[in-house]
Amino acid sequence: GAGVSQSPSNKVTEKGKDVELRCDPISGHTALYWYRQSLGQGLEFLIYFQGNSAPDKSGLPSDRFSAERTGGSVSTLTIQRTQQEDSAVYLCASSPPGLAYNEQFFGPGTRLTVL
Amino acid sequence: ILNVEQSPQSLHVQEGDSTNFTCSFPSSNFYALHWYRWETAKSPEALFVMTLNGDEKKKGRISATLNTKEGYSYLYIKGSQPEDSATYLCAFYDNQGGKLIFGQGTELSVKP
Repeated sequence: GAGVSQSPSNKVTEKGKDVELRCDPISGHTALYWYRQSLGQGLEFLIYFQGNSAPDKSGLPSDRFSAERTGGSVSTLTIQRTQQEDSAVYLCASSPPGLAYNEQFFGPGTRLTVL
Repeated sequence: ILNVEQSPQSLHVQEGDSTNFTCSFPSSNFYALHWYRWETAKSPEALFVMTLNGDEKKKGRISATLNTKEGYSYLYIKGSQPEDSATYLCAFYDNQGGKLIFGQGTELSVKP
């Protein structure tokens, strides 16, 4: 079956521009996560959606970052007024309903470069 | 702040060598530990989800052990092959936050 997909796969933008990153989770998965990996760093949690509950935004690094999940499926991560330190690989993952600690299924990521 | 540490940061071995890496995590409020393999230009892929102290899991030449009382897990690869080259990530499930806390990973390179 189809896995988690993300678009675009690569995005180069200029400092100060807004960007939108998209994630299509696996059908039927209720939980959706966004992470990023900056150069030389581990995977950093950004935001978590679970069903219809309010998202856990505790990992968002600044108010320039926001995310939404429409219809319990597709999610968009928006970064406003991008800065060079936003350059990273942004990963989306989803997991099925059931145990809260189910394995997560990752997308291929979006590599964001801010010039 | 929950801390997950992995060592070593990187490892270079020859084909056929066996190797192991360590993941250290908080020993209190344990629910689950995940291991993922992340090959270059691919998505991270789950290897194991471990929940019980003393648990041992195996997938082919890769196995993992878990000690929740002392807060560590080992990942073993027997007879490394070039296709095992990847970054291996462990992640501790934070039940209070409902999310995974990842270590920085161990980057394995296997030379033919």
